[in-house]
Amino acid sequence: SYVLTQPPSVSVAPGQTARITCGGNNIGSKSVHWYQQKPGQAPVLVVYDDSDRPSGIPERFSGSNSGNTATLTISRVEAGDEADYYCQVWDSSVVFGGGTKLTVL
Amino acid sequence: EVQLVESGGGLVQPGGSLRLSCAASGFTFSSYEMNWVRQAPGKGLEWVSYISSSGSTIYYADSVKGRFTISRDNAKNSLYLQMNSLRAEDTAVYYCARGGDLYSSSHAFDIWGQGTMVTVSS
Repeated sequence: SYVLTQPPSVSVAPGQTARITCGGNNIGSKSVHWYQQKPGQAPVLVVYDDSDRPSGIPERFSGSNSGNTATLTISRVEAGDEADYYCQVWDSSVVFGGGTKLTVL
Repeated sequence: EVQLVESGGGLVQPGGSLRLSCAASGFTFSSYEMNWVRQAPGKGLEWVSYISSSGSTIYYADSVKGRFTISRDNAKNSLYLQMNSLRAEDTAVYYCARGGDLYSSSHAFDIWGQGTMVTVSS
């Protein structure tokens, strides 16, 4: 089965740029979606189809996907961005990455 | 307002059954794919099952295949998950999530319910 690999944690200072990676075999050939989940809340879609943003999601959130790595980039990080982030693809079935905890220092 | 509301969770003994429901409102339910996703306490997201807009195509995660059944009633704007032969490892918050519609190539889950807790324990 297809496996998506995310770093368990990423830390960044406020105002800096956070990059969260999602590794998978030839992931560049798939559409990658990213979700943000804050404690006690349901996940929220922040990027879909590699780099598109749903309405209401700040432009600070962007995505890219090439080769074996997809990346969620959060610019000008704010304290409110602290959350768990999950990548997801379809590969004969739905696959989620293990999640990355973003800590804002 | 576009909304998904799950219900039916609770405490059940190992080997028991439970039926989850997800009520949809604010959009044309019959046009959208739907999914169930679960999250064990302190763990990540795990996809459980998918059903197409018409109900004609269904997929399951290997971990629940043969024990869980997904279904939908488009006339009632409702999604269901029948869970049988429950195990301790099925303990989780269960979310219903909206997928793509008839006119979209994207399968992203753009709307999620608030979740319902299922606890399997004696």
